[in-house]
Amino acid sequence: DAKTTQPPSMDCAEGRAANLPCNHSTISGNEYVYWYRQIHSQGPQYIIHGLKNNETNEMASLIITEDRKSSTLILPHATLRDTAVYYCIVRVNNAGNMLTFGGGTRLMVKP
Amino acid sequence: DGGITQSPKYLFRKEGQNVTLSCEQNLNHDAMYWYRQDPGQGLRLIYYSQIVNDFQKGDIAEGYSVSREKKESFPLTVTSAQKNPTAFYLCASSNKALSNEQFFGPGTRLTVL
Repeated sequence: DAKTTQPPSMDCAEGRAANLPCNHSTISGNEYVYWYRQIHSQGPQYIIHGLKNNETNEMASLIITEDRKSSTLILPHATLRDTAVYYCIVRVNNAGNMLTFGGGTRLMVKP
Repeated sequence: DGGITQSPKYLFRKEGQNVTLSCEQNLNHDAMYWYRQDPGQGLRLIYYSQIVNDFQKGDIAEGYSVSREKKESFPLTVTSAQKNPTAFYLCASSNKALSNEQFFGPGTRLTVL
């Protein structure tokens, strides 16, 4: 799995868009970008994933740069309940279905 | 409702005792996983199982054991050989045929006194 780099923490005002960056400069052509989040003392929650096209679902949008070396998770209207640690993971699809979580970004949404 | 359940939420044990953490899923998923999370850290894989009656060691399997006798159940035993068992333990499952979307349980916080 390619290594990822995320800022350790970020703040966002409630109601504003939260943009969480992830660098994955060693990503290979068949590796996907996955995003999970973990609210304090709960299990992680899958958010979204993509290969090279931008993706959007009911939770968030994922923007992947054209060279695929970085991506941004966008929460369009952050709420206090979005306060969590967000993990960016890069890996091959169906590669044994094992996930490795690094340190992630601690997002604090403030009123 | 479909999902993964872990019980109990909090567990206390004396040092030297084995303890078994339960994990049950009714999602009909083939694969199940156990992770450990220490304060302020990411998740580390302990064991995983791709199919009933088969399981594989993860990155930190020493001091742990598992069984997979039924598709819906994947209990984890923390043995007395585990040097630092106090941690937050997370169970997850996934459908092998799909992407790497894993569904996590609520976790069990184990404290060894």
